Parts: sequence; C-alpha cells; structure tokens
Amino acid sequence: AQKITQTQPGMFVQEKEAVTLDCTYDTSDQSYGLFWYKQPSSGEMIFLIYQGSYDEQNATEGRYSLNFQKARKSANLVISASQLGDSAMYFCAPLPPGQDTGNQFYFGTGTSLTVIP
Amino acid sequence: GAVVSQHPSRVICKSGTSVKIECRSLDFQATTMFWYRQFPKQSLMLMATSNEGSKATYEQGVEKDKFLINHASLTLSTLTVTSAHPEDSSFYICSAPITGMNEQFFGPGTRLTVL
Repeated sequence: AQKITQTQPGMFVQEKEAVTLDCTYDTSDQSYGLFWYKQPSSGEMIFLIYQGSYDEQNATEGRYSLNFQKARKSANLVISASQLGDSAMYFCAPLPPGQDTGNQFYFGTGTSLTVIP
Repeated sequence: GAVVSQHPSRVICKSGTSVKIECRSLDFQATTMFWYRQFPKQSLMLMATSNEGSKATYEQGVEKDKFLINHASLTLSTLTVTSAHPEDSSFYICSAPITGMNEQFFGPGTRLTVL
C-alpha cells in the first residue's frame, strides 16, 4: 500500500476564514488521482472533491478546491469561508491508475478540523 | 446518487459470539465491495475486497478465518466477525464503486461493541 501522510492531526479555523489541509503521498507512479472525504461525528463518509492526475486545472467544488502538485505528490484541500458544519475529520485517498486495481482506498491518517465561532 | 446501506447500524454482543454485518447497494450492482475498520480517532483501514462469485481478498494482517466475507449477490456483501472479542469493537464501514466512476459510495457504517 502507498504511504499517505496528513501532517496536521488537528486544525482550528475561525468561522468564515479559509483553511488548508495537507496531504502528501509516497508512490512510485505519478499517475495518481486523489480524493478528499469528510467524516462528521456521525461516521458517514462524505465525498468532497476529486482530481485526476491528468487534469490540467485544479479541481473546484463549491467552497472546496484542490491545490494539486503532482511533482511534489501533494494534494492539499482548501476550504474557503469555513462554516461551523465543516467541523469534522478529513481524509485524503490517492487513487491508483488503471481500472484493474479495484479502486480500493488507502486513506491518510486524517485531520480533525474544528471551526471556531 | 448511488446509495449503499448497512445493517445493523449498531450492535452489542457478548464475547465469543459471531456477528454478521450486511452491506447492500440499493440502486446499482456492485461486483466489488470493500470493507474497512476504523478504531476511535484513527483512519479507515482497508480490511478486504469482497468479490461477487469468488473469494474475498484480504489485506495483510487481517485474519480471513475471523472476518468471513461472503458476496452473495451483485447487491449484497456480508462481513461476519466470528468469535468476537472486545478488541474487535470498532466501526465497520463498507463501500462500493460503480464501473466507470472513480468515486466510491460508502455505507453509513456499523458500530460493533463486544462486551
């Protein structure tokens, strides 16, 4: 399995401010896409954003955007205008290239984000 | 969007008993499903890949005789924790991909407590 590193076990952000959550992955292949998922205290896994390795532009989904740097093997999640409901665990997961991998996910260690009112 | 369900959502059992957890894809067929385990304040760890019509593939360190996986149909995979012990208490969550889509769809999870 790949080694996925999320260096920030806990982060705090003021409501309405932006926050960046880090994710780096150690793989021999640069052809990796990357997912970010949010897990609130209820435990459900909520898909946030995905970027394929061959996408030219950084992905954006509403208040979420990816700062994807393939050469550095990092894909940081930027949340703009933080809301109280953003308080949750955040996990990144690289997607290996090719359909025959079965799309299994190996998740990073996660970052706990707390939004302060 | 695609929906994956899990049953039960929460289960408490005595040490030594077996517990079965179901994972269903409600509006799509899933030839492959994945089972993860998550201990408190930790990440999701992939346990095994469930394959319809064939044996499951287990990750290194996961005991296949303890965690029995059966992919009975294109919409159902079951995980049976046999002879459960307190250290098996955890949050178990399944997911299923859809062919042609990169995203995986996760079930809501099952919280197992072994007394």
